[in-house]
Amino acid sequence: SQQGEEDPQALSIQEGENATMNCSYKTSINNLQWYRQNSGRGLVHLILIRSNEREKHSGRLRVTLDTSKKSSSLLITASRAADTASYFCATGLTGTYKYIFGTGTRLKVLA
Amino acid sequence: DGGITQSPKYLFRKEGQNVTLSCEQNLNHDAMYWYRQDPGQGLRLIYYSQIVNDFQKGDIAEGYSVSREKKESFPLTVTSAQKNPTAFYLCASSIASQVLQPQHFGDGTRLSIL
Repeated sequence: SQQGEEDPQALSIQEGENATMNCSYKTSINNLQWYRQNSGRGLVHLILIRSNEREKHSGRLRVTLDTSKKSSSLLITASRAADTASYFCATGLTGTYKYIFGTGTRLKVLA
Repeated sequence: DGGITQSPKYLFRKEGQNVTLSCEQNLNHDAMYWYRQDPGQGLRLIYYSQIVNDFQKGDIAEGYSVSREKKESFPLTVTSAQKNPTAFYLCASSIASQVLQPQHFGDGTRLSIL
């Protein structure tokens, strides 16, 4: 089964609101990454957080990582219609070259 | 501009036919990956390669084959043994490292059965 599981599966908010999505994983990791996928396109890397970091910011994105709970969250502040996309977390088993992607959260931002 | 190019964007397969999806990158990355994405689902790893002339099976390799004769190219063949090939196929590349690096993705090939 996939290591990463995101929730919620789908999220609909108004423009200007904040969006929070969560990711859980099962094993030890070196880092955790978040990606965005627009409909019918490839994934785009958003942010990487290392296992020894607890929080990281990039523009309107804020990522937290709790290795004791094996979970991460992605917060998008002041959302825009252009943020409408699916968001995936990705992790890798320590010592392997394999990325494991979660099932994704579909975010819809209403103008 | 550096990036990954997948072609074709849409592909149709007849029963009993093998089809090949192209993936080319000019990012000078050693590692390349093929994923399958079904509607509303996450990505499942088909094959990956860390270096030229070497590749490993992912989680769903049955019915697929790959080659890695050049650093910049990692074509995927969907064989007739793959009974449910309809899906969106994504190719990715990254710097090869045991600490996973960000992946760069192509824009995918959508494969359908005729």
